[in-house]
Amino acid sequence: DGGITQSPKYLFRKEGQNVTLSCEQNLNHDAMYWYRQDPGQGLRLIYYSQIVNDFQKGDIAEGYSVSREKKESFPLTVTSAQKNPTAFYLCASRGTGEAFFGQGTRLTVV
Amino acid sequence: DQQVKQNSPSLSVQEGRISILNCDYTNSMFDYFLWYKKYPAEGPTFLISISSIKDKNEDGRFTVFLNKSAKHLSLHIVPSQPGDSAVYFCAGGTSGSRLTFGEGTQLTVNP
Repeated sequence: DGGITQSPKYLFRKEGQNVTLSCEQNLNHDAMYWYRQDPGQGLRLIYYSQIVNDFQKGDIAEGYSVSREKKESFPLTVTSAQKNPTAFYLCASRGTGEAFFGQGTRLTVV
Repeated sequence: DQQVKQNSPSLSVQEGRISILNCDYTNSMFDYFLWYKKYPAEGPTFLISISSIKDKNEDGRFTVFLNKSAKHLSLHIVPSQPGDSAVYFCAGGTSGSRLTFGEGTQLTVNP
């Protein structure tokens, strides 16, 4: 089945540790995105990539890093520099129409 | 700079009645608008979209209206059903570019 897959669904991290969230798509989409959702808030763009080997900062990129070595994959690393990393993270991909979202990863810092 | 705004955080309607969700945008470069539905702890699912060359798009119970001069779009759900209860996000952008989302509106449809 075509789609976009995020893993893991739940992730716990100790303060001071980096953690990487996985996002894979088999929709052959060029563009991929990472959003963050906090309780009662909308979707805020962290990073996006419109083509392999290229990516741009979104509105809240500080403390995050990404790579886009393959068209299918767009992993997000939450670094220890991110001051408030506990949130729900959503990955999406897009061709020319609507964006398709994964099921999200709930990251909790303990 | 909040380029897409949904000013109503919540909306409550009776089953069978019309639900109207509103969205305003400021970026005149946007030529493509979308509505998504989201349940807790899940990813948003696409509902309906509209291109700026149209002022209305309909898909079953869902209709989106676009007023470019007012930079305003709305989603109408008729008739509303309890299963429609969710958070609804509007988004705007250009073809192939990043999408900017509003803050969302929690719709509750009461039986």
